Amino acid sequence: DAKTTQPPSMDCAEGRAANLPCNHSTISGNEYVYWYRQIHSQGPQYIIHGLKNNETNEMASLIITEDRKSSTLILPHATLRDTAVYYCIVTGTASKLTFGTGTRLQVTL
Amino acid sequence: DTEVTQTPKHLVMGMTNKKSLKCEQHMGHRAMYWYKQKAKKPPELMFVYSYEKLSINESVPSRFSPECPNSSLLNLHLHALQPEDSALYLCASSVREQGWNEKLFFGSGTQLSVL
Repeated sequence: DAKTTQPPSMDCAEGRAANLPCNHSTISGNEYVYWYRQIHSQGPQYIIHGLKNNETNEMASLIITEDRKSSTLILPHATLRDTAVYYCIVTGTASKLTFGTGTRLQVTL
Repeated sequence: DTEVTQTPKHLVMGMTNKKSLKCEQHMGHRAMYWYKQKAKKPPELMFVYSYEKLSINESVPSRFSPECPNSSLLNLHLHALQPEDSALYLCASSVREQGWNEKLFFGSGTQLSVL
């Protein structure tokens, strides 16, 4: 599976959009980009995934660059409950997720 | 029901004890997973069960023994653990093991302390 690079931490004001970047320059053609998050003392939670098209669901939007070497997770209106560690994972099979160190997002008032 | 339930939530055990962690899901998922997470580190895959058969063992020491008695239940039997095995043990499930469209549903974990 391709490796990913994420900033270790980010801050976001409540009500603003949180844009979390992820670099995956070695991604191969059959690998998908997944995002999970882990709120303190809980198990990871699936957010969204995509191959090459932009995706949106009730939680977030995923923007993947045309060359697929990077992506951005967008939380359109961050709340305090979105404070968590966000993991970007690139894999050809979701059943064997390899978590990196992730981005610790702190949403503040 | 979209939950993965893990019991107990907390467990303290001595190095000579035998204990078991339990994981249950009623979503009809046929793949179940054990992950281990040390403090301030990302989760690491330990075992994968697919249709009640062990599919993946990530070179986990034999003091950890998984068991899948039926499609809804996954156990992790612990024996002769070391203090460095103290961690959060996470269970997860998905509809199937293979496939790019599979989402993993995680439980809240069992926080294990080995004294």
